[in-house]
Amino acid sequence: GEKVEQHESTLSVREGDSAVINCTYTDTASSYFPWYKQEAGKSLHFVIDIRSNVDRKQSQRLTVLLDKKAKRFSLHITATQPEDSAIYFCAALRNSNNRIFFGDGTQLVVKP
Amino acid sequence: GALVYQYPRRTICKSGTSMRMECQAVGFQATSVAWYRQSPQKTFELIALSTVNSAIKYEQNFTQEKFPISHPNLSFSSMTVLNAYLEDRGLYLCGALLGTNTGQLYFGEGSKLTVL
Repeated sequence: GEKVEQHESTLSVREGDSAVINCTYTDTASSYFPWYKQEAGKSLHFVIDIRSNVDRKQSQRLTVLLDKKAKRFSLHITATQPEDSAIYFCAALRNSNNRIFFGDGTQLVVKP
Repeated sequence: GALVYQYPRRTICKSGTSMRMECQAVGFQATSVAWYRQSPQKTFELIALSTVNSAIKYEQNFTQEKFPISHPNLSFSSMTVLNAYLEDRGLYLCGALLGTNTGQLYFGEGSKLTVL
């Protein structure tokens, strides 16, 4: 089955700097890669996603890059703000069976 | 907008007893519902994927006998943790899939299970 690995367990940046969170996956049939954010004591909230037919997607301060050859994708956050502090989870889905598997999460801390 | 209500938010139960949690999709049709468990270490495990009018697919290490799921219509799903023990503790999340092949899950707020 799919295994999603998230390489940074914690990431600390200063407010205004950029943050990059990297993930890899194993299943070449995975075609959809969402990112979720979990604030302390709360559930998961959708952040941004990318499908395998593109290699880049941007939404305001967030950009997702996808390298299908390397089976790697990353979340880039620019101009970070303290409210960006949370645990970020990457995930991968194989459309044929709708099963989504998550990485282990990256704790992002944005220091004022 | 699309919302998912999950309840109860937290349950404390004695070892060997059971806990039932419910998931209600509002504003959209949840063709599939995925049930996850988040461990105290924050990692997620997929328990099962339930699709209306299809068999429920359980992941390895999770069984229908231990985690029975009901998904009678496009807005409601429930899961029970039977005979809960310490290793079953964690945050249980239902994720409702909007449409088919879209991949975007809307999550409920989670049901936290504490086992004494």
